[in-house]
Amino acid sequence: ETGVTQTPRHLVMGMTNKKSLKCEQHLGHNAMYWYKQSAKKPLELMFVYNFKEQTENNSVPSRFSPECPNSSHLFLHLHTLQPEDSALYLCASSQDREGEQYFGPGTRLTVT
Amino acid sequence: GENVEQHPSTLSVQEGDSAVIKCTYSDSASNYFPWYKQELGKRPQLIIDIRSNVGEKKDQRIAVTLNKTAKHFSLHITETQPEDSAVYFCAASRGFGNEKLTFGTGTRLTIIP
Repeated sequence: ETGVTQTPRHLVMGMTNKKSLKCEQHLGHNAMYWYKQSAKKPLELMFVYNFKEQTENNSVPSRFSPECPNSSHLFLHLHTLQPEDSALYLCASSQDREGEQYFGPGTRLTVT
Repeated sequence: GENVEQHPSTLSVQEGDSAVIKCTYSDSASNYFPWYKQELGKRPQLIIDIRSNVGEKKDQRIAVTLNKTAKHFSLHITETQPEDSAVYFCAASRGFGNEKLTFGTGTRLTIIP
């Protein structure tokens, strides 16, 4: 599946590092999302962008900083993370805010 | 905020039998209820959804029912097959469908051949 791609697929970072996750969608969609998936916890919606504008921030700590330069690309900038931030970070896109979401394969993040 | 509870957390069903997964939600203003399937090591995929103006929706072997009065909705899979084995997530949202999605904790469904 190549509709929504994410890089890197795996990332190990120290608590003082700064890294970025990248998401790209090739579906011509207008809405993009970041999710956090932790073991034994519900999938958590973090951020929503619609036509490059952020429309939702679900009380996410400021150490996570999203960026959406255009409708096809979405970044998640990470700095001074905590071990509890270790999780699978999923990107998704949809035609509009009500359309079916297509997920990327995720980035498995480990914070040491 | 919205709270979605999902039961059971694990479910084993003999191949060919039916499986039912139930979710309850707390926000009476929620009006969009999707179900996602996530196979091991793969990304979640939408399998069916329902909006509050209907009580039931079917798509081949999959059906979802919604009871707005009781604030619960259920996923029904009939004639289960080995490829139905996966984790299933329910979710609820108010307003624009995807913007305020709150997910359940998931049900690991295993189909026994």
